[in-house]
Amino acid sequence: EAQVTQNPRYLITVTGKKLTVTCSQNMNHEYMSWYRQDPGLGLRQIYYSMNVEVTDKGDVPEGYKVSRKEKRNFPLILESPSPNQTSLYFCASSTQGSGYGYTFGSGTRLTVV
Amino acid sequence: KNQVEQSPQSLIILEGKNCTLQCNYTVSPFSNLRWYKQDTGRGPVSLTIMTFSENTKSNGRYTATLDADTKQSSLHITASQLSDSASYICVVSGEYSDKIIFGKGTRLHILP
Repeated sequence: EAQVTQNPRYLITVTGKKLTVTCSQNMNHEYMSWYRQDPGLGLRQIYYSMNVEVTDKGDVPEGYKVSRKEKRNFPLILESPSPNQTSLYFCASSTQGSGYGYTFGSGTRLTVV
Repeated sequence: KNQVEQSPQSLIILEGKNCTLQCNYTVSPFSNLRWYKQDTGRGPVSLTIMTFSENTKSNGRYTATLDADTKQSSLHITASQLSDSASYICVVSGEYSDKIIFGKGTRLHILP
């Protein structure tokens, strides 16, 4: 089944403790992206990647890192999480760039205390 | 500035009724517009995608329209069901951009 898989689904952590949210897609998509979703603000792009070893900042990249060493994986790294990073996170992938239909993961609900 | 505005912000209707959600955008040059359905706590799922030359596209009880001249789109839901309760997000892509613009969504509640 074609899908984007995120892990974990839920995560509670403490301020400053490094964490990684994994994202993997099995559709051989070139384009992958991370979003956060907060009430009243909609989906905001954190980082995106056009292909392996090519990443770029989205609208809200502060406090996040990404890497794209393999085509299928696009992990999101929070080096020193803070409470304002409490949010619902989505990974998405698409073929031929962002102008085509996205497939979204099921989401990761992160709480930083 | 490229923007996507959706209205209403939220909507409550009775099961079996029809409703129409609106999306206005300023993205230019325009490439395509998509409507997504997002169940609470889940990832958005694509309903329709429309390009510049398309005026109407249907997916079951969902019908999307696009007026590229006025930069407006609507999503019409016919004979609503309880399972239609969700957020509906309008997403617009520009022709020469590797970014897409998300609307903030319309939260639809279907009451039995």
